[in-house]
Amino acid sequence: KQEVTQIPAALSVPEGENLVLNCSFTDSAIYNLQWFRQDPGKGLTSLLLIQSSQREQTSGRLNASLDKSSGRSTLYIAASQPGDSATYLCAVPTGTASKLTFGTGTRLQVTL
Amino acid sequence: GAVVSQHPSWVICKSGTSVKIECRSLDFQATTMFWYRQFPKQSLMLMATSNEGSKATYEQGVEKDKFLINHASLTLSTLTVTSAHPEDSSFYICSATGAQGYTFGSGTRLTVV
Repeated sequence: KQEVTQIPAALSVPEGENLVLNCSFTDSAIYNLQWFRQDPGKGLTSLLLIQSSQREQTSGRLNASLDKSSGRSTLYIAASQPGDSATYLCAVPTGTASKLTFGTGTRLQVTL
Repeated sequence: GAVVSQHPSWVICKSGTSVKIECRSLDFQATTMFWYRQFPKQSLMLMATSNEGSKATYEQGVEKDKFLINHASLTLSTLTVTSAHPEDSSFYICSATGAQGYTFGSGTRLTVV
């Protein structure tokens, strides 16, 4: 059974700092890995999707890397802003039905 | 981009009544839709997978007679919480898959009083 874990569970940083969020998964036979953002009481917004053949993806200040062999992915956020405050979730498709298994999430707070 | 509309965004109902939540894909055909449940400060837990025109597949521990899912068309899936109880209070989120990958609805906050 695929298990996805995210570290740290919560993180508070001052504005402007660069930060790294970690995601680990137990079954390395994945097709892709996706990072999402969730604001309180809201749905999920897709940030980055990394295919299994890729090692990283970039979108603006966000950079996600994937190391299938070690079962790890990282989300790097450069020059953090208060608007980045949210919960970040990683997820991998599981099984033939392509169900997503979500990580435990990292609650990020960027302070002024 | 792909958009999934979920309604209502919040609902308060009395214990024992039923509540229907709708999930629509606005600009694409969703071959598969997923329904998740999320408790405060926890991650999303998959409840069921629905494919258009067929019965939903429920995850272990999810009561299919309590959480009725209908996927009548390629753009609409509904989740009905029947005989709701306070313990059913939660945040419910739908997701649809298509050529663009996974797109999530904005969620429904259900409070049963």
